[in-house]
Amino acid sequence: NAGVTQTPKFQVLKTGQSMTLQCAQDMNHNSMYWYRQDPGMGLRLIYYSASEGTTDKGEVPNGYNVSRLNKREFSLRLESAAPSQTSVYFCASSHTNRGRNTGELFFGEGSRLTVL
Amino acid sequence: DQQVKQNSPSLSVQEGRISILNCDYTNSMFDYFLWYKKYPAEGPTFLISISSIKDKNEDGRFTVFLNKSAKHLSLHIVPSQPGDSAVYFCAASRTGGYQKVTFGIGTKLQVIP
Repeated sequence: NAGVTQTPKFQVLKTGQSMTLQCAQDMNHNSMYWYRQDPGMGLRLIYYSASEGTTDKGEVPNGYNVSRLNKREFSLRLESAAPSQTSVYFCASSHTNRGRNTGELFFGEGSRLTVL
Repeated sequence: DQQVKQNSPSLSVQEGRISILNCDYTNSMFDYFLWYKKYPAEGPTFLISISSIKDKNEDGRFTVFLNKSAKHLSLHIVPSQPGDSAVYFCAASRTGGYQKVTFGIGTKLQVIP
């Protein structure tokens, strides 16, 4: 049982380059999320998708776009990478029961992105 | 504006003793609280949670206490083991409808053998 799978695990970009982080979950979860983790900042929500076909901004959405491709997959795109986007990115998913989400998230292993 | 605060960035405890990790929150609308554990180079994993209708939840060596009037929760680990050495994130959410989860900045626990 793979759970939440993120690719790539490591990536180095130059300022201005674009890239997409891929995420897939095999737990049939309704909701999916992208977080970034920075020293002294904890985990901050970038975007989330409450259900297939919907996406919403989190705390720090600027510079990112997302696509909920289907129920399994939720991708994060950096159109023009900046050094401030150097971070560790985590994808997560959760089950929503009757529209209620307790916050029990299942995380991927993370993608470490460096923007030079 | 940090809605979930973990004021201790690190904590060192001797093996076998109690570890107490603290968390404060400011949003009175939060009604569900969680602790996540994170090892280096891995994603966070859910550890234990508590609903606002309770003041204590226990799971093996882990107990979470909630003091709603003080907007404070704590995680107790008894006895602490070297494998408990990790970063612990406190998190909070609102369960009415869909709500996102808000995390604290984490506390790094080191259990010394």
